[in-house]
Amino acid sequence: AQKVTQAQTEISVVEKEDVTLDCVYETRDTTYYLFWYKQPPSGELVFLIRRNSFDEQNEISGRYSWNFQKSTSSFNFTITASQVVDSAVYFCALRTSGTYKYIFGTGTRLKVLA
Amino acid sequence: SAVISQKPSRDICQRGTSLTIQCQVDSQVTMMFWYRQQPGQSLTLIATANQGSEATYESGFVIDKFPISRPNLTFSTLTVSNMSPEDSSIYLCSVGSDVSVSYTFGSGTRLTVV
Repeated sequence: AQKVTQAQTEISVVEKEDVTLDCVYETRDTTYYLFWYKQPPSGELVFLIRRNSFDEQNEISGRYSWNFQKSTSSFNFTITASQVVDSAVYFCALRTSGTYKYIFGTGTRLKVLA
Repeated sequence: SAVISQKPSRDICQRGTSLTIQCQVDSQVTMMFWYRQQPGQSLTLIATANQGSEATYESGFVIDKFPISRPNLTFSTLTVSNMSPEDSSIYLCSVGSDVSVSYTFGSGTRLTVV
């Protein structure tokens, strides 16, 4: 079975704090893709990053960084020096090579307080 | 990546009526999907819109309730029929191509049924 777990339902931080959003996935496939999307209050889904199962290199993009650990089946997302504009719901998703479907986690609502 | 125009962005509808949501893409895409996001929930795939043939529905979703059309590679519609308050959700269109692992999402239609 394929599954994505985002155990943190809601996180509140004060602006400039660092925050890590957790994502744990389950799949038996050896080739798969992991994603993070941001959903601001306006409702659209904004693509943040994709990671392939065969590429365990961690990624940094500005204040965002992602830690992919196959050994623990985790793909965690860290925001450094958070800002109020980071307030949104963040979704982790999984797609395996044999299907076009995304499996979404339940999302983590991040509130960054000024 | 493709640019999606989804209309309407929001609507308030009376129970028992139907609403058709449009998804227009600025380029030809192979894959088009429709998702539902109930309040405070994750995204659930409704169906894959197939060009020139009937849509492929996920478990729990039926064509009579969510008829889908896809007349060409750049356009699709989703109709929510005989609406009830339980249909109040955000409905999102998503597109991708065979070579694209990452899908693009529309801005969503926020539907409220009263």
